[in-house]
Amino acid sequence: SAVISQKPSRDICQRGTSLTIQCQVDSQVTMMFWYRQQPGQSLTLIATANQGSEATYESGFVIDKFPISRPNLTFSTLTVSNMSPEDSSIYLCSVEKQGAPGELFFGEGSRLTVL
Amino acid sequence: EDQVTQSPEALRLQEGESSSLNCSYTVSGLRGLFWYRQDPGKGPEFLFTLYSAGEEKEKERLKATLTKKESFLHITAPKPEDSATYLCAVQEGSNYKLTFGKGTLLTVNP
Repeated sequence: SAVISQKPSRDICQRGTSLTIQCQVDSQVTMMFWYRQQPGQSLTLIATANQGSEATYESGFVIDKFPISRPNLTFSTLTVSNMSPEDSSIYLCSVEKQGAPGELFFGEGSRLTVL
Repeated sequence: EDQVTQSPEALRLQEGESSSLNCSYTVSGLRGLFWYRQDPGKGPEFLFTLYSAGEEKEKERLKATLTKKESFLHITAPKPEDSATYLCAVQEGSNYKLTFGKGTLLTVNP
């Protein structure tokens, strides 16, 4: 199994500001995934972060809004830029179990509220 | 149109009252169907992977089954600790991406 730590666990932010979420994994992994979970909506993949290359973004998500860093095989950050109330959500970091496609370990999430 | 639809949205059971949750999907070339459990304030926790129609997996009071169009998560004699949101997700073709449903919120009353 993998243990994933996310910081912050929750925050209240002002409109127009940016916030960076950190994700630390206790083992080296190739891909790290960032998800968004909005109230009443399904868990949605934002982007996949590979070490040493640019993140791959899903349709509807852009790098200017959600820049991602992946400096090594155990750490990644997701920044939510120029926030608006619509960005209020839970953001989750996850990694895939080695040899088990689709079997993900998740962090506990970062709950952001934008006023 | 959603690729993954879960029903019901919410289900309330009495302890010991068995029932089933449904996950219907419309993707072609299913690579895998996954069930996760999510407790309040936590990230989802993996339960099962199903790969082909007819396959079944069991874990304690839970049994997951798969047909060509849907999956069921059967809960036998549930206990209050089974209360959680149950998420279904599919993986299509060669794409590693998981597409999740909105989940079913299960509440089991003592």
